[in-house]
Amino acid sequence: QVQLQESGPGLVKPSETLSLTCTVSGGSISSYFWSWIRQSPGKGLEWIGYFYYSGSTNYNPSLKSRVTMSLDTSKNQFSLKLNSVTAADTAVYYCASGSTWNYFDYWGQGTLVTVSS
Amino acid sequence: DIQMTQSPSSVSASVGDRITITCRASQGISSWLAWYQQKPGKVPKLLIYAATSLQSGVPSRFSGSGSGTDFTLTISSLQPEDFATYYCQQANSFPFTFGPGTKVEIK
Repeated sequence: QVQLQESGPGLVKPSETLSLTCTVSGGSISSYFWSWIRQSPGKGLEWIGYFYYSGSTNYNPSLKSRVTMSLDTSKNQFSLKLNSVTAADTAVYYCASGSTWNYFDYWGQGTLVTVSS
Repeated sequence: DIQMTQSPSSVSASVGDRITITCRASQGISSWLAWYQQKPGKVPKLLIYAATSLQSGVPSRFSGSGSGTDFTLTISSLQPEDFATYYCQQANSFPFTFGPGTKVEIK
C-alpha cells in the first residue's frame, strides 16, 4: 500500500516560493505517476501537474509559468515548487499518485499552506 | 479547459435511500471520468474510474454510468458512512479538472 506524506512550511510570504516535499513509502517512486493537487474554498480541487520518473511532465497552464516538479529517487521523494505566490495560492496541497497519469489512487493527508505577510 | 458541473450541489437523504448525482462535461470526454468521495477533514478517495469501474475495496452499492458529456454516480442504499462530498474529475485531457462537488447530507 503506497503511503504519501507531504511536508513543508505552512506559511509563505507573498512573492516568495512555496516548496513542498512528498515522501513516498510502500512503493517505488518509479512505478507511479506523481501529481500535486490543491484545494481551496474558493476554487475547489485544482490539479497542478504531474511528473513521471522518465521525465514526462505536464503542468496546468494556469500555473505553468510558476511551477516546477521533480523527483528524488534516492530519497523516494517528490517535490513541488511554486514561485511568486500570492494569497490566491493559499490552499491545502495534496500529493497524489496513480498507476496512470489521469486517476489518483493514493493521496497524502494534505498540508495547508497560507500565503501571508 | 474542460469545465465540469455537478447537480445537485447538495442533497439531503436518509439511510437506505437511493441517490443519484449528475456530472456534466463541457465537451465530450468519452469514458474518462472519475468519482471521488471526501469526508470532512479527510482526503479525497477514488471510488470509480473510467466512468464505470469500481476501485478496489469500494462497496458495490456505488456505481457509475455515462459517457461523452453526461455521467452519473449512484449509491443504491445510502449508509451512514456515505455522508460526504462527492467530486467528479475528467481524465480525458490536460489540465485535469474537477467538478465543484455534491454534498450528501443526512435528512
